[in-house]
Amino acid sequence: KNEVEQSPQNLTAQEGEFITINCSYSVGISALHWLQQHPGGGIVSLFMLSSGKKKHGRLIATINIQEKHSSLHITASHPRDSAVYICAVPISYNTDKLIFGTGTRLQVFP
Amino acid sequence: EPEVTQTPSHQVTQMGQEVILRCVPISNHLYFYWYRQILGQKVEFLVSFYNNEISEKSEIFDDQFSVERPDGSNFTLKIRSTKLEDSAMYFCASSEDGLAGTVITQYFGPGTRLTVL
Repeated sequence: KNEVEQSPQNLTAQEGEFITINCSYSVGISALHWLQQHPGGGIVSLFMLSSGKKKHGRLIATINIQEKHSSLHITASHPRDSAVYICAVPISYNTDKLIFGTGTRLQVFP
Repeated sequence: EPEVTQTPSHQVTQMGQEVILRCVPISNHLYFYWYRQILGQKVEFLVSFYNNEISEKSEIFDDQFSVERPDGSNFTLKIRSTKLEDSAMYFCASSEDGLAGTVITQYFGPGTRLTVL
C-alpha cells in the first residue's frame, strides 16, 4: 500500500527554536513536495525536491531518495510559522497524482 | 507574483443540487488539478487535466464529477448532485509544462469550502 507518514503529528515550540518535521514514504518516487497549510485552510507550496537539499529563507528541506525519507527544518522559528506542514509524493513515476501525509501541526509560541 | 485564484471562497448548497467550483490557474500553466480535503482528513487527489482532457483521476472522481476548461482562463469542477459527504475544502492547483516523467511544482489556490446541507 502506498503510504506517506509524517512525524510528529503535533509539535509545539518556543520562538527561536529549531524545528524538524519528518516524512517517510513507501513508494518509489522521483520527487517530493512540502506544503504549508495556513489556519484558514489555504495551501502554499514550499518546496519540490528530488535530491539533496533546498533552502528558502529559514526553511530547509532535505531528501534521501534511497532511504525514502525527507525532513523539513525551520531555523529560528517564529509564531507566524504556526501552520500544518504536509508532505506529498507522486504515487509512482510519471504521474501527477499526489498522495499526501496527514500533516504536522506546528504551534510556535512567543 | 502570479497566483491561482478560486471562487467562491465558501459555497453552501442543498443536497442534490449541482455546484460549480471555479478556478483561474496561473496564465502560462498547462496542467490543472483538483484536490479535496474533508475536515480533519488528508488532502486527496481528485483529477488532473492537460490538453483539454483528463489525464488522471482517482476513484473518488465518479460520474457525479466533471471538469471543464470552458475558456482560456477558467478551470471548473462540477458536482452534479451533491451529497452530504461532498462537504469539504476543494483546492485547485496548476503547474507549468515539464519534461516527460519529471515532477514539477504545483501551485495551489486558496480553496473553496463546500458545505452540503
